[in-house]
Amino acid sequence: AQSVTQLGSHVSVSEGALVLLRCNYSSSVPPYLFWYVQYPNQGLQLLLKYTSAATLVKGINGFEAEFKKSETSFHLTKPSAHMSDAAEYFCAVSVPGGGADGLTFGKGTHLIIQP
Amino acid sequence: NAGVTQTPKFQVLKTGQSMTLQCAQDMNHEYMSWYRQDPGMGLRLIHYSVGAGITDQGEVPNGYNVSRSTTEDFPLRLLSAAPSQTSVYFCASSVGLGYNEQFFGPGTRLTVL
Repeated sequence: AQSVTQLGSHVSVSEGALVLLRCNYSSSVPPYLFWYVQYPNQGLQLLLKYTSAATLVKGINGFEAEFKKSETSFHLTKPSAHMSDAAEYFCAVSVPGGGADGLTFGKGTHLIIQP
Repeated sequence: NAGVTQTPKFQVLKTGQSMTLQCAQDMNHEYMSWYRQDPGMGLRLIHYSVGAGITDQGEVPNGYNVSRSTTEDFPLRLLSAAPSQTSVYFCASSVGLGYNEQFFGPGTRLTVL
């Protein structure tokens, strides 16, 4: 079974600073990896996903993530934080041929942007 | 397209009451799922469906029932509400499994007293 670990339940950065949200996964087969964002009082929406093409994946709102197989990581970054980036971020993993119960979410990281 | 819609947005129940959370999607997606979100726990899968007439249990199915009579609708029933079911519930749909994006509804915030 696959699993995902998000390091840090809360991350605080200053506006304009680098955003780094960490995600490590465990999977017995090459995985598909996702980052979802949840703004306050809303559902989740997809930021970006890795599906075994390019290892550096670009998403919406200036976010990107790099798949590193040797480190089993899929960290999310943004060069310059904006106040509107304040939200909950979820990393998720699924596997080829896996069922709907094969999509596993991390516990989430709450990103706080300080002015 | 309305996407994934959920009703109601908020609900307060007393212990032992029953209710149905509604979920509908207009994207002709075969796969639909119900999750609950609790602080520090992330999203946990309750039940899912891979098509009309087919449902299966997820990680935390106890106390919940589902059915899928049409492609569009996937209601979640609480049989006898308990305080432990106080949570935010999300419905999601997707065109397929694996690498496909999940589309989420806006959620239902349920409080059981």
